[in-house]
Amino acid sequence: IAGITQAPTSQILAAGRRMTLRCTQDMRHNAMYWYRQDLGLGLRLIHYSNTAGTTGKGEVPDGYSVSRANTDDFPLTLASAVPSQTSVYFCASSEGAGGQIGEQFFGPGTRLTVL
Amino acid sequence: GQNIDQPTEMTATEGAIVQINCTYQTSGFNGLFWYQQHAGEAPTFLSYNVLDGLEEKGRFSSFLSRSKGYSYLLLKELQMKDSASYLCALMDSNYQLIWGAGTKLIIKP
Repeated sequence: IAGITQAPTSQILAAGRRMTLRCTQDMRHNAMYWYRQDLGLGLRLIHYSNTAGTTGKGEVPDGYSVSRANTDDFPLTLASAVPSQTSVYFCASSEGAGGQIGEQFFGPGTRLTVL
Repeated sequence: GQNIDQPTEMTATEGAIVQINCTYQTSGFNGLFWYQQHAGEAPTFLSYNVLDGLEEKGRFSSFLSRSKGYSYLLLKELQMKDSASYLCALMDSNYQLIWGAGTKLIIKP
């Protein structure tokens, strides 16, 4: 692994189903983030984690949950998917939470369609 | 609250220079980032400004004026591969990034 990976690459999901998007980084970064990107809108923060064992809510957390059991992994779970959660999801990580070390490195994204 | 504005789309000619502006309003400021995003790909880091002035990195430069709530990204000697979206992101008082909607840059031969 080099950098940050996400799985799956894309997924079509029936409404009401549960889904976990996986994210793994090998840079030993402290902070990790989940964003969604929709056409015409900027990246919107869903949840974040400044260090292993802690998580926080971003701008659009409803319907999503995260966990950070270790430094490398930061899965995002949709408990009961709805069509409005159709989006491209990006996981990102940064060495720290402020200044230049706040530079975020992004995974390749997961394209999720909820029908 | 915070607000970031950047043009939706710009067109430029190969070999020319283009300036992409970003204006913002915020109650807390810990720096401004520019990212490049090619269609269907992830954003990648271009520059970071926390003090006023110009930061130059090869063909790309970024400028910041904190008093005016203004930044720009300057791209010189444009190449076709520079066709992408350019995202302006503000680091707020909680060290979270607030993202603009991005400027789609179209390069014509």
